[in-house]
Amino acid sequence: GIQVEQSPPDLILQEGANSTLRCNFSDSVNNLQWFHQNPWGQLINLFYIPSGTKQNGRLSATTVATERYSLLYISSSQTTDSGVYFCAVKNSGGSNYKLTFGKGTLLTVNP
Amino acid sequence: DTGVSQNPRHKITKRGQNVTFRCDPISEHNRLYWYRQTLGQGPEFLTYFQNEAQLEKSRLLSDRFSAERPKGSFSTLEIQRTEQGDSAMYLCASSTPPSWDEQFFGPGTRLTVL
Repeated sequence: GIQVEQSPPDLILQEGANSTLRCNFSDSVNNLQWFHQNPWGQLINLFYIPSGTKQNGRLSATTVATERYSLLYISSSQTTDSGVYFCAVKNSGGSNYKLTFGKGTLLTVNP
Repeated sequence: DTGVSQNPRHKITKRGQNVTFRCDPISEHNRLYWYRQTLGQGPEFLTYFQNEAQLEKSRLLSDRFSAERPKGSFSTLEIQRTEQGDSAMYLCASSTPPSWDEQFFGPGTRLTVL
């Protein structure tokens, strides 16, 4: 099946810093989602971005499907941004409904 | 605007007992998914429903696991004869046209098997 690799696995920032999280995938995809998992375990939708670039406030994301990667940018980080960020993809050639997740990036933003 | 809801939020049980979880998808979402997440890992797909039909089951879903969606609305996931290895967060998600691809997740049920 499709492989999803996220980097870095851990990231520690000071409040106000910027960061870039990366997601590489091993096959063609027709869906890519970024999630933020809060300390209570809730997965919060950040972006649905199978291709192109989107922005939402301090967050933006870019997916280059032909090169099999996606980037999540967080600017002016805040302590509330802390948590695990997951990338999840749906393989174009495989199951047309299941998402395959990476292992996540654990982000800690210190005050 | 209510999201996906799951009950209970936490369940502690003894090995060998049966447990049942419930998921209520976003209203009118006709696709419903179950995932399982263990510590330090991303969620893994378990099963998927299109309305009341269960269309796919992962190999992770052993014979002790059964899922239903009898009227195409809420779904239940039952684990029989629980084992310590079943301890995990069980997540439910739903989606609908026109963007069937974007899945929205519930808060999860955290299962601890003693």
